[in-house]
Amino acid sequence: GAVVSQHPSWVICKSGTSVKIECRSLDFQATTMFWYRQFPKQSLMLMATSNEGSKATYEQGVEKDKFLINHASLTLSTLTVTSAHPEDSSFYICSRAGTGGLVGEQYFGPGTRLTVT
Amino acid sequence: GENVEQHPSTLSVQEGDSAVIKCTYSDSASNYFPWYKQELGKGPQLIIDIRSNVGEKKDQRIAVTLNKTAKHFSLHITETQPEDSAVYFCAASGSGGSYIPTFGRGTSLIVHP
Repeated sequence: GAVVSQHPSWVICKSGTSVKIECRSLDFQATTMFWYRQFPKQSLMLMATSNEGSKATYEQGVEKDKFLINHASLTLSTLTVTSAHPEDSSFYICSRAGTGGLVGEQYFGPGTRLTVT
Repeated sequence: GENVEQHPSTLSVQEGDSAVIKCTYSDSASNYFPWYKQELGKGPQLIIDIRSNVGEKKDQRIAVTLNKTAKHFSLHITETQPEDSAVYFCAASGSGGSYIPTFGRGTSLIVHP
């Protein structure tokens, strides 16, 4: 069964507003979770690494003030897209690492489709 | 950093045929190679993976092979079915202990009934 959930599965918002996406680890307390963005017919692009109890680590070129990440508990990470614009419309996917302690394993959520009008 | 190349970008086969997707990587320190299947509008799902101490791994109709010397790995799907139609991504990770995979660009597999 699914080990990572996301909410909402899709959202439409007006330009200039903010939208929050939740990512939950269902079966494991995850100190680290990851946020990706995927444009149509493209690969996944890592946006940031979410660290429980500390600041997120953002990839180069990702605006940390625009994409706010909060990892307040071991099972929940949130991504808030602030002052959204149409170019922020994308598929946002979160993931967590595997539980076996093996480097590299990741399990992905079902994704959230954001459309900014 | 790591660079992963994936080919082909599109693969069209008839039901029952085999499908092969190939990836190459650049960082010899990478040691974990997962394959993900992504259906339209869904998140990627891990379907099989292989570590650098293994040359081949099989799970029912899917198999993955790894050639460390040549730094390439492949996904093999036998007896394809229409429900195998999806985008498949290869990835490489593990260099320096990193959990973060570097993804290929994806292969759109279409299985015609």
